[in-house]
Amino acid sequence: EAQVTQNPRYLITVTGKKLTVTCSQNMNHEYMSWYRQDPGLGLRQIYYSMNVEVTDKGDVPEGYKVSRKEKRNFPLILESPSPNQTSLYFCASSLQGPDYNEQFFGPGTRLTVL
Amino acid sequence: ILNVEQSPQSLHVQEGDSTNFTCSFPSSNFYALHWYRWETAKSPEALFVMTLNGDEKKKGRISATLNTKEGYSYLYIKGSQPEDSATYLCAFWVNRDDKIIFGKGTRLHILP
Repeated sequence: EAQVTQNPRYLITVTGKKLTVTCSQNMNHEYMSWYRQDPGLGLRQIYYSMNVEVTDKGDVPEGYKVSRKEKRNFPLILESPSPNQTSLYFCASSLQGPDYNEQFFGPGTRLTVL
Repeated sequence: ILNVEQSPQSLHVQEGDSTNFTCSFPSSNFYALHWYRWETAKSPEALFVMTLNGDEKKKGRISATLNTKEGYSYLYIKGSQPEDSATYLCAFWVNRDDKIIFGKGTRLHILP
């Protein structure tokens, strides 16, 4: 089944403890992206990647890192999480850039930083 | 700062009625506009990808139009059904740097 998977789905952690949220797609998509969803703010793009080894900052990249060493994986790394990073995170992918291509979203990761 | 506005924020519609809502975006630097439907406790799912001025797309009872010169897109739902209850998001693709900017969504409630 074609899909985007994220792990973990739920995570409660403490300030400063490094964590990684994994994202994987099995559709051979080139474009991948991370978003965070906060009440009243809509989906905001954190980082995106047009292809392997190519990553760029979205609108809210501070406090996050990403890597794209393989086409299928695009992990989101929080080196030193803080409470303001408590949010719902979505990974998404599309065949190529999202000009003509719809994005497929993962199931979301709900992160709480205490 | 590029901004995508959706209106109204929330909408209550009687089952069987038709409705529409708006997405406004910067008319310069336009490259593409996406519409997504987001049901509670699920992930957003794509409805339409629109790229050309005057585009009209349809999927069942849902359709969308695009005016890139004036910077707006309308989403229409004909004969609303309970399963149409969801948040409808539009997303604007900024060509110059491949970023995507989402609106805050229109929350649609269908009343039985």
